[in-house]
Amino acid sequence: QQPVQSPQAVILREGEDAVINCSSSKALYSVHWYRQKHGEAPVFLMILLKGGEQKGHDKISASFNEKKQQSSLYLTASQLSYSGTYFCGTDNSGNTPLVFGKGTRLSVIA
Amino acid sequence: DTAVSQTPKYLVTQMGNDKSIKCEQNLGHDTMYWYKQDSKKFLKIMFSYNNKELIINETVPNRFSPKSPDKAHLNLHINSLELGDSAVYFCASSQELAGGLYEQYFGPGTRLTVT
Repeated sequence: QQPVQSPQAVILREGEDAVINCSSSKALYSVHWYRQKHGEAPVFLMILLKGGEQKGHDKISASFNEKKQQSSLYLTASQLSYSGTYFCGTDNSGNTPLVFGKGTRLSVIA
Repeated sequence: DTAVSQTPKYLVTQMGNDKSIKCEQNLGHDTMYWYKQDSKKFLKIMFSYNNKELIINETVPNRFSPKSPDKAHLNLHINSLELGDSAVYFCASSQELAGGLYEQYFGPGTRLTVT
C-alpha cells in the first residue's frame, strides 16, 4: 500500500521551515526518509522505527506517530542544498522492500 | 569506493531488443533490490533478492528477470523491450542491523530509453 505524502510541492526562501507528511493506511514497522536531487540516486536521510520516536541531524528531523500511522519530516532554517524531492518509504514488517510515496518536491530559493 | 554501482548509466535501444543492466555492491549486504522510477518520479519495487534467493517478485511482466550470480551482484535482464519500459532503474542493497534498523543504499541508476 503506497503511503501518501503531502504537500506534493513546496517552495521556500532560504531560512524558512517546512514540514512534509507521510501517511499510511496500514500499520507501520518503520518509515525511511530519502532525498533525491535531479538526475541522482535517492540518498538516505533517516529511519524511524515503530514505538513513536523522533530523530534528527543538523536541521532536519522527523517524527513517527505509530498510532496515527504517519511520519513527518521537519526542515528548519532551510538551505539551498535542501532542494530536491523527498520520499518517504514505508515498511510494514521489517526489512522488506520499501514502498515509496510519490514524493514531495522542495525548492529553496535565495 | 562506490558502494552500489550499476552499468550502464545510459541505455538507448529499440523496441523488441533484449538488454541487461548490471549491479554490484561491495557492502557485504544480504539483500539487493531493483526499483523502477518512471517519468513521474514514482519509485516502484520490482524485485528483491536475499542470499541469492528471490524473496519478493512484484507484479512485473515476466519479460523482466533478475539474475544473481552471487551475493554481491544482482543483474536485471529485459526481453522484448517495449516503449513503456523507458524509465530509470535503480539497484539498491540493504543489511538488517540490530533492533530492526536497516538502510537501503541506492546505486546511481540506469536511464533506459526505448525507441
